[in-house]
Amino acid sequence: QVQLQESGPGLVKPSETLSLTCTVSGVSINSFYWSWIRQPPGKGLEWIGYIYYSGSTNSNPSLKSRVTMSVDTSRSQFSLQLTSVTAADTAIYYCARWSNYNYFDPWGQGTLVTVSS
Amino acid sequence: EVVMTQSPATLSVSPGERATLSCRASQSISSSLAWYQQKPGQAPRLLIYGASTRATGIPARFSGSGSGTEFTLTISSLQSEDFAVYFCQQYHNWPPLTFGGGTKVEIK
Repeated sequence: QVQLQESGPGLVKPSETLSLTCTVSGVSINSFYWSWIRQPPGKGLEWIGYIYYSGSTNSNPSLKSRVTMSVDTSRSQFSLQLTSVTAADTAIYYCARWSNYNYFDPWGQGTLVTVSS
Repeated sequence: EVVMTQSPATLSVSPGERATLSCRASQSISSSLAWYQQKPGQAPRLLIYGASTRATGIPARFSGSGSGTEFTLTISSLQSEDFAVYFCQQYHNWPPLTFGGGTKVEIK
């Protein structure tokens, strides 16, 4: 079955760049859209953006200026970079497949990133 | 941006009873709505898409209805494993894709 696994540092200093990678298994990364979503502890969900296997991207206007996404099809991975982080960026970060411009399924287990000095 | 509002924030229900959760969109989103279930320490799981289509493996006690701006998720007879937080998500007008704030279903 399709599985996704996030990886990256759990602690990032304020003003630095958050970098995460999602590894996809059980399906080819080609021909699908892949997304990042985050959830501050105890709060709701916020869509960050998506990337297509071709490299085309789109992101939440509220984060657009700080978000970069990339894909490495040879490694079945896609990545997120979020620059100039503050405490407000502390959250569980999930990667997920975005199906047919619709829903997210499946999701990775999530990784907690804390922004703190 | 389409704002999704869920109510109530918390719903207290006894096992075996029916639970009715609401999700309202700030503008019409046709039937472009999904529901997710999230248990503590876990990622959200897709329950419903297209407002009323159950995802693969989702029990028949979960049903979705509505279109336009008003949507409902009904759990016909709550089981112990159904106590969780439920989120709705619209995919009609984006970016951004947006989620509701969630409804926590707790044991009464």
